[in-house]
Amino acid sequence: QKEVEQNSGPLSVPEGAIASLNCTYSDRGSQSFFWYRQYSGKSPELIMFIYSNGDKEDGRFTAQLNKASQYVSLLIRDSQPSDSATYLCAVSRYGNNRLAFGKGNQVVVIP
Amino acid sequence: EAQVTQNPRYLITVTGKKLTVTCSQNMNHEYMSWYRQDPGLGLRQIYYSMNVEVTDKGDVPEGYKVSRKEKRNFPLILESPSPNQTSLYFCASSPATEINEKLFFGSGTQLSVL
Repeated sequence: QKEVEQNSGPLSVPEGAIASLNCTYSDRGSQSFFWYRQYSGKSPELIMFIYSNGDKEDGRFTAQLNKASQYVSLLIRDSQPSDSATYLCAVSRYGNNRLAFGKGNQVVVIP
Repeated sequence: EAQVTQNPRYLITVTGKKLTVTCSQNMNHEYMSWYRQDPGLGLRQIYYSMNVEVTDKGDVPEGYKVSRKEKRNFPLILESPSPNQTSLYFCASSPATEINEKLFFGSGTQLSVL
């Protein structure tokens, strides 16, 4: 089993809709969870991080963490064309100094 | 401007010809790391460094070397590049040694080994 899995294929959503991205991880000792956004040909940039179970909201983005199920998700509300990008889930075990990335999910927002 | 600077942006080379990709950050970050990104495989860590003279292997260190003689610089060295090292490379840095804070990425280096 891969350390961080993002299994969904490209996600197409209409402008204004909610985009939902999922990520599972295998290491139960993981403590920190991140979502990075990467535009085509660009470097990743951090958009959300979450450490505790539950929801964390930042503008149109909500990260959800369920450590019991080893599951982290990202919701993008009121999706805009500028949200079209690949979203990378990343997981870190405290003190490990390693950040494991998933393969990413491409989101396409259709005007 | 706070940034991580990688050079070159694009590099085409031939098998066996030693090359160095430079990485420099101006944020006084303790932690620096190199990743490669390949289609279908995502970002994989090559090496990381927690501080000057402290480096450690990531997931895919074979065929690469690094050094951290100064805090700001973390070059990636390919002593004898091979075609399977054709990839997009990212250098990244972070202020925290526990990597619980965000990574700042460089612009990337697209390497092609013929």
